[in-house]
Amino acid sequence: DGGITQSPKYLFRKEGQNVTLSCEQNLNHDAMYWYRQDPGQGLRLIYYSQIVNDFQKGDIAEGYSVSREKKESFPLTVTSAQKNPTAFYLCASSGGYSNQPQHFGDGTRLSIL
Amino acid sequence: AQKVTQAQTEISVVEKEDVTLDCVYETRDTTYYLFWYKQPPSGELVFLIRRNSFDEQNEISGRYSWNFQKSTSSFNFTITASQVVDSAVYFCALSEAQRNRDDKIIFGKGTRLHILP
Repeated sequence: DGGITQSPKYLFRKEGQNVTLSCEQNLNHDAMYWYRQDPGQGLRLIYYSQIVNDFQKGDIAEGYSVSREKKESFPLTVTSAQKNPTAFYLCASSGGYSNQPQHFGDGTRLSIL
Repeated sequence: AQKVTQAQTEISVVEKEDVTLDCVYETRDTTYYLFWYKQPPSGELVFLIRRNSFDEQNEISGRYSWNFQKSTSSFNFTITASQVVDSAVYFCALSEAQRNRDDKIIFGKGTRLHILP
């Protein structure tokens, strides 16, 4: 089945550690997105990528980094500079046009040890 | 600037009641797209519907219906004869047609819906 796969489902980070969240899609979508969701909050855009080898900062990019070396993959690294990383992270993809809905993965829940 | 407001933070209704989730948007574009998503307790967002700004016909899909009114900039979502499985967080979202590298979908903060058995 076509879709978006995020892994792991749960992730724990130690102080000072970088961690990487995986996002893979087989929908042949050009655009991919990372969102952060805090309890009781809406979605906040971290980074997005419209094409391979290019990405743009969203509203809360500080403390995060991404890469887009392949169309199918858009990993997110939560760096030690992100002081409050505990949240639910959602990856999405779309055809890249404004009339197309985004399709979401199941999310990764990141917690601090 | 784009903005989506879902004024209802949380709603609780008894099963089989009808419930309407409100969504008000702001945009300067004449062509835009509106979306509704459902986020069940499992966490993933599920796309429900897209509406184009130039199509004001209301839409019905089973127990779900959507009322789009450009005059009031609203895109409300009604669930008829609600069921416990409808319990979720519902997000309204807006995308403008003049999409460039800096444009993106704007989500409302969501409405948490509790359907009580």
